[in-house]
Amino acid sequence: RKEVEQDPGPFNVPEGATVAFNCTYSNSASQSFFWYRQDCRKEPKLLMSVYSSGNEDGRFTAQLNRASQYISLLIRDSKLSDSATYLCVVRINDYKLSFGAGTTVTVRA
Amino acid sequence: SQTIHQWPATLVQPVGSPLSLECTVEGTSNPNLYWYRQAAGRGLQLLFYSVGIGQISSEVPQNLSASRPQDRQFILSSKKLLLSDSGFYLCAWSVLSQRTQYFGPGTRLTVL
Repeated sequence: RKEVEQDPGPFNVPEGATVAFNCTYSNSASQSFFWYRQDCRKEPKLLMSVYSSGNEDGRFTAQLNRASQYISLLIRDSKLSDSATYLCVVRINDYKLSFGAGTTVTVRA
Repeated sequence: SQTIHQWPATLVQPVGSPLSLECTVEGTSNPNLYWYRQAAGRGLQLLFYSVGIGQISSEVPQNLSASRPQDRQFILSSKKLLLSDSGFYLCAWSVLSQRTQYFGPGTRLTVL
């Protein structure tokens, strides 16, 4: 079983729409969680950390459900510039992060 | 502020040729350094990490090796490339007080 699993998508949404997607992780001892964004042929960049109580950063909302071992990301009022692959990331120990394969989001005009 | 450099940006190499990719970090001391590979359509695979000069931990046995000759320099090498070594190689850094990692721009390697 993969450590982090994501729906690869793609999620095709119109501008202004809300899009949400999840990932699941297998290691119940995981302590830190993140969403990264990766544009085509570019390096991943940290989008936001995910906290137990849920957190927002502008139009982005992240939620963590430890009991069910899943993490979600919601994007409100989608912009064309939100088109990217979103990577779910789980910290395994002090040095190792485990990355999902990514969920592709395409926002159309 | 911290910056991370990788070169070259792209590389095309024949099977059996050697490889050397370099990564340097500026603006921080004693970082943890990482090498990842991302194959087309797949997630990032951790190859090596280093917590200090000369300290290398290997995550996946293969024909690649890594070295850390200086505090902020991390090198990925191979003596003989295989077709399966093609991919997007990413260097990353972190400090223990932070929980996340920051990536360099990557090297896109094609082995023919």
